[in-house]
Amino acid sequence: NAGVTQTPKFQVLKTGQSMTLQCAQDMNHNSMYWYRQDPGMGLRLIYYSASEGTTDKGEVPNGYNVSRLNKREFSLRLESAAPSQTSVYFCASSYPGGTEAFFGQGTRLTVV
Amino acid sequence: ELKVEQNPLFLSMQEGKNYTIYCNYSTTSDRLYWYRQDPGKSLESLFVLLSNGAVKQEGRLMASLDTKARLSTLHITAAVHDLSATYFCAVPLLAGKSTFGDGTTLTVKP
Repeated sequence: NAGVTQTPKFQVLKTGQSMTLQCAQDMNHNSMYWYRQDPGMGLRLIYYSASEGTTDKGEVPNGYNVSRLNKREFSLRLESAAPSQTSVYFCASSYPGGTEAFFGQGTRLTVV
Repeated sequence: ELKVEQNPLFLSMQEGKNYTIYCNYSTTSDRLYWYRQDPGKSLESLFVLLSNGAVKQEGRLMASLDTKARLSTLHITAAVHDLSATYFCAVPLLAGKSTFGDGTTLTVKP
C-alpha cells in the first residue's frame, strides 16, 4: 500500500534553477496539498487542490506553481529557485469535508 | 486569519511522568487533528476529533476537544522513551486544508 509517494527525496539546486516535485497518491482522495516545513514554524500550506482540475493558493504561494495532472498526481514547480525556498516539502492528500491528511515522505530541498 | 497555538513548544520529561500539551485555535471549528512526526520522518495521523467533547485514547496518549473553549489537549500518561517525537495539532478549514500549530517537541528521558 504505497499511500502518498513523493519524488525526489533529496535535491540540491543552484539559485535560479528550476525543478518540479512530483506527488502521487493511490487512495482515491479528491484533495491534495503541498506544504513546506521550516524549523520552528510548523507546516505552511503552499497550494492545494480540492479536486481534479482545480488549484488554489495557500498561505505561502509566491515562487511556486502547481499542476493537478489528474486525480492521482499533484506537482509543485519552482521556476527560479531562491535560498529562501530551502525547506522540507510535504505532499498530502485527503478526502473532502475535513478528514485527516495522509502525508508523503517529504522532499528535502537545498538551494545554494 | 486562523491561528493555532501550541504550548509548550519544547517539553523534556522523565519516563513515568504525566504531562499535557495544549492546542488553542482562534476561530470556530468542530474538529481537530493530532499528528506525530519522528525526527527526519513524515507526519502520521494520531487522533481525529470530530465534535465537541470528543475524547480519543491510544496507549499512553489521550486527546480531547472543547470546541466552545477552542482548545484541544493531548495528555501523556507515564511517558516512555518511544513517545519522543514532535506532535502537531491541526485545525481544518474549507476544502479540507488545515492550519497547523508550530509543534511540540517531546523528549522523554530515562
